[in-house]
Amino acid sequence: DTEVTQTPKHLVMGMTNKKSLKCEQHMGHRAMYWYKQKAKKPPELMFVYSYEKLSINESVPSRFSPECPNSSLLNLHLHALQPEDSALYLCASSQHPQTGDFTEAFFGQGTRLTVV
Amino acid sequence: AQSVTQLGSHVSVSEGALVLLRCNYSSSVPPYLFWYVQYPNQGLQLLLKYTTGATLVKGINGFEAEFKKSETSFHLTKPSAHMSDAAEYFCAVSRYSSASKIIFGSGTRLSIRP
Repeated sequence: DTEVTQTPKHLVMGMTNKKSLKCEQHMGHRAMYWYKQKAKKPPELMFVYSYEKLSINESVPSRFSPECPNSSLLNLHLHALQPEDSALYLCASSQHPQTGDFTEAFFGQGTRLTVV
Repeated sequence: AQSVTQLGSHVSVSEGALVLLRCNYSSSVPPYLFWYVQYPNQGLQLLLKYTTGATLVKGINGFEAEFKKSETSFHLTKPSAHMSDAAEYFCAVSRYSSASKIIFGSGTRLSIRP
């Protein structure tokens, strides 16, 4: 199983709403990532979790709050977003250098988020 | 610091023609290099990767790339384009000691003319 599953596929939320994006992998990967991708742009790294601990935060606003409940799950909690936060949010996972050869990141299909 | 530069934001070729997408990298240490493809409203799918060893790397869907250290390049090629190859292609770089930092190029949109 080389799949990263993201839910929901589409999400429309108001600026006062609280919602969460979910990501799951069963490949035993210990590094998990959130990326944000605007239209016609490359993915931009937001957060990295290594062994369920936040290891990188790329200066992401606090209205985005990541969580890694266990080694298979990654959440992104959203609160008080702005319309400019509308984008495709991609989750990825990879082997961690300490547990196996890092080769590549496996990406989910993404959540298309629209903030109204 | 690592980075990749993709030359040409849009490449258009005829069906059956050679596909060449260009990528140059900058890295102070031996890099890991990747090509990903993204179809509209989809995630990223790995086409191929270079880590160590053979410099000519074969991937899925008939694509291949050659790591040329002297030219700091990792160009993607396919001998004969198919309509289904139309997509966005991203070159990416990372390094073993910093798996978390996967840096993407700006992307090249490939169009296929009938």
